[in-house]
Amino acid sequence: NAGVTQTPEFQVLKTGQSMTLQCAQDMNHEYMSWYRQDPGMGLRLIHYSVGAGITDQGEVPNGYNVSRSTTEDFPLRLLSAAPSQTSVYFCASSYDRGKTYEQYFGPGTRLTVT
Amino acid sequence: GNSVTQMEGPVTLSEEAFLTINCTYTATGYPSLFWYVQYPGEGLQLLLKATKADDKGSNKGFEATYRKETTSFHLEKGSVQVSDSAVYFCALRNGGQNFVFGPGTRLSVLP
Repeated sequence: NAGVTQTPEFQVLKTGQSMTLQCAQDMNHEYMSWYRQDPGMGLRLIHYSVGAGITDQGEVPNGYNVSRSTTEDFPLRLLSAAPSQTSVYFCASSYDRGKTYEQYFGPGTRLTVT
Repeated sequence: GNSVTQMEGPVTLSEEAFLTINCTYTATGYPSLFWYVQYPGEGLQLLLKATKADDKGSNKGFEATYRKETTSFHLEKGSVQVSDSAVYFCALRNGGQNFVFGPGTRLSVLP
């Protein structure tokens, strides 16, 4: 299994540009989520999905859209990039294992908005 | 709401020193508690977990005990190695599948 994969690894955008961060998992996990990681703030939840066709907002959803057309894929779209979106983005998936959900993380996408 | 507080870093230790990274939480009910580790340039990996009071999670020489009375889940290791240099995140899950993470503590171990 490849686990959770993310592309691209690095990206530089200009203010106002749009782009999609890709995330895929091959573990048949129902739950997937997107986080952003900023210095001193840990990970903050952007959006999450409990299954194909179902998405919901997390703590910091503004400026981002998601969709979940398949179990495997959960892309994150930046509609109009802003410098405040400069961050490291992590995708994660998880499953229920005897009431203990374990999250598996991708390697991250390092995004800079100029 | 749910929250996690960790000791401020960075923490710098010599090889073979004893490590403690404090973690306290605020949550209703009985959350599950986790420690994740992030090595440079990588994503987070689960280090250990505990699902109920007095449980002890352990892995790779690291341990943490779920203390309901003090709402704490401190991470300890008796003898750190240079390869333990990383950022450590305390996290909780309290119903559903959403996690709440602390800000992370950077550990540097010097040879």
